[in-house]
Amino acid sequence: AQKITQTQPGMFVQEKEAVTLDCTYDTSDPSYGLFWYKQPSSGEMIFLIYQGSYDQQNATEGRYSLNFQKARKSANLVISASQLGDSAMYFCAMRDRGTSYGKLTFGQGTILTVHP
Amino acid sequence: NAGVTQTPKFQVLKTGQSMTLQCAQDMNHNSMYWYRQDPGMGLRLIYYSASEGTTDKGEVPNGYNVSRLNKREFSLRLESAAPSQTSVYFCASSEGSTAYEQYFGPGTRLTVT
Repeated sequence: AQKITQTQPGMFVQEKEAVTLDCTYDTSDPSYGLFWYKQPSSGEMIFLIYQGSYDQQNATEGRYSLNFQKARKSANLVISASQLGDSAMYFCAMRDRGTSYGKLTFGQGTILTVHP
Repeated sequence: NAGVTQTPKFQVLKTGQSMTLQCAQDMNHNSMYWYRQDPGMGLRLIYYSASEGTTDKGEVPNGYNVSRLNKREFSLRLESAAPSQTSVYFCASSEGSTAYEQYFGPGTRLTVT
């Protein structure tokens, strides 16, 4: 069963504007973690941000923040003040207790293009 | 610290050939993983090793075998390559079951003709 859904195959944003990348998830486990990774055209996977299911506050890391809405099972990534270097593929991923030992389930990804 | 290294970076195989993808990490992590990434899809877990001496199947294990040679190294073997195994392969590692971040290698781009 699909556990992570990213419904936006591609997104465009103007440089210096903010953009939200959507992610919804499905799990019956009360304990889980949500992750965002960035994959530039060079191919490497870069960890961006993490949100635990019991975390009281939304996670933030520099220009990245995670809009965590537990009841709606969504974990959207917000990138503020977009830069040309933010153009990349972005993956949402989840680890729940059913996938122990750190195994991650990934969404299909969203390609973000930042226009100058 | 090199992090997670993978060899080779690129490989072309003919159908039926075998090969081993190598992965090593120098972060003293307990857990290691092999993923494949196909166009338009996210990463799918092939096999993982929670700790040295243990391996388990992931989502798409058919056609692959793995060996956790020691704590540092985790190899992926294709015994008889098929065109459906054309993909980019990523190795990753993490500290263990409570770790929330996985560190990824640069990937191996494999083409099977």
